[in-house]
Amino acid sequence: DAGVIQSPRHEVTEMGQEVTLRCKPISGHNSLFWYRQTMMRGLELLIYFNNNVPIDDSGMPEDRFSAKMPNASFSTLKIQPSEPRDSAVYFCASRGLASSYNEQFFGPGTRLTVL
Amino acid sequence: AQKVTQAQTEISVVEKEDVTLDCVYETRDTTYYLFWYKQPPSGELVFLIRRNSFDEQNEISGRYSWNFQKSTSSFNFTITASQVVDSAVYFCALSATGGFKTIFGAGTRLFVKA
Repeated sequence: DAGVIQSPRHEVTEMGQEVTLRCKPISGHNSLFWYRQTMMRGLELLIYFNNNVPIDDSGMPEDRFSAKMPNASFSTLKIQPSEPRDSAVYFCASRGLASSYNEQFFGPGTRLTVL
Repeated sequence: AQKVTQAQTEISVVEKEDVTLDCVYETRDTTYYLFWYKQPPSGELVFLIRRNSFDEQNEISGRYSWNFQKSTSSFNFTITASQVVDSAVYFCALSATGGFKTIFGAGTRLFVKA
């Protein structure tokens, strides 16, 4: 089975540009999570969805960040405008029904560099 | 509130040594899950194990073993006869049963020298 798919794997952009990160969760999983990882702050949960509905976006750092999940097989995380401090690895993870198992499965990550 | 503490920031061992990574958690939930993830130098986060709070049996998988002790709120991870390929950052995590959020520890970076 395919795991969580993220694209692009690497993104280099200039400050002020819009960045869109994409994620395809594991088929059948109904929860999706976006994380950001930096050396300074470690792994931070940005937002998570359950059944395509955003449940908690309290981790989204600023209004420049937005996330959508238009259907069960696709989610985007958008940063507009991007800033150098947004440089990080962004992970998407998905999880099956909470009553069955709680572990999250992570995608390979998108390494974002904002110049 | 939930919290996961991995007090060891970095550990360095020589190949074939045994090493234990500590994890202490805090939760008010009566049922919960504990996890370990591995992040090798390539960067991906790999799920290693899930443990239900009802099950305090230790688990062994090859060179890996996990010791869950509810009385001390600990879920420690031991690698026996470590290998260079074990070099990675290891994260312990906690999630309430039926909950959405998973709380991750800060991670322990393990260096295994040849």
